[in-house]
Amino acid sequence: LAKTTQPISMDSYEGQEVNITCSHNNIATNDYITWYQQFPSQGPRFIIQGYKTKVTNEVASLFIPADRKSSTLSLPRVSLSDTAVYYCLVGDTNTGNQFYFGTGTSLTVIP
Amino acid sequence: EAGVTQSPTHLIKTRGQQATLRCSPISGHTSVYWYQQALGLGLQFLLWYDEGEERNRGNFPPRFSGRQFPNYSSELNVNALELEDSALYLCASSQTGGAYYGYTFGSGTRLTVV
Repeated sequence: LAKTTQPISMDSYEGQEVNITCSHNNIATNDYITWYQQFPSQGPRFIIQGYKTKVTNEVASLFIPADRKSSTLSLPRVSLSDTAVYYCLVGDTNTGNQFYFGTGTSLTVIP
Repeated sequence: EAGVTQSPTHLIKTRGQQATLRCSPISGHTSVYWYQQALGLGLQFLLWYDEGEERNRGNFPPRFSGRQFPNYSSELNVNALELEDSALYLCASSQTGGAYYGYTFGSGTRLTVV
């Protein structure tokens, strides 16, 4: 299983763009990269998933370089409600082999 | 569409007792996953059930067990409760065999062992 490494915490001012990077040096060919958001005492919520290059949805963008050894979650113009823990997961979605959440990045948005 | 539902919301047990936690997946989802999250810590993978079978298991002792029923709902049983089992237990579901569209999590069961 690919191990992921993320910064423990980040602070950002409201309205700024936030980029959270995840390292996954031993990612396998069939592995996808998925990001989740978790608020206290709630289950994580799916944000975005990708395999390579760039993926964008209404909430975030995901940038994946050609070697796929890292990925960057980009949150445009964050608000106070984006204060949460963000997790990246790497695994083979076809086999369900994407179980292990890392420590996550605790993002605090400052007014 | 109903989300993943877990019951009970809160559960208080005494050390040495057994706890049973329940999860109903989203309609059409056949895979159920269980996670433990101790206060202030990350999510620890417990179990994966798919089509009624246990497919994978995290690094937990055998007193953590479960099952998946024909309607794809699931139970997590924790025997011989210890104080350190106090945690938020989260259930997630996904479509068969994988998580291409991501896991959908329930709101969890807060288990307190006293």
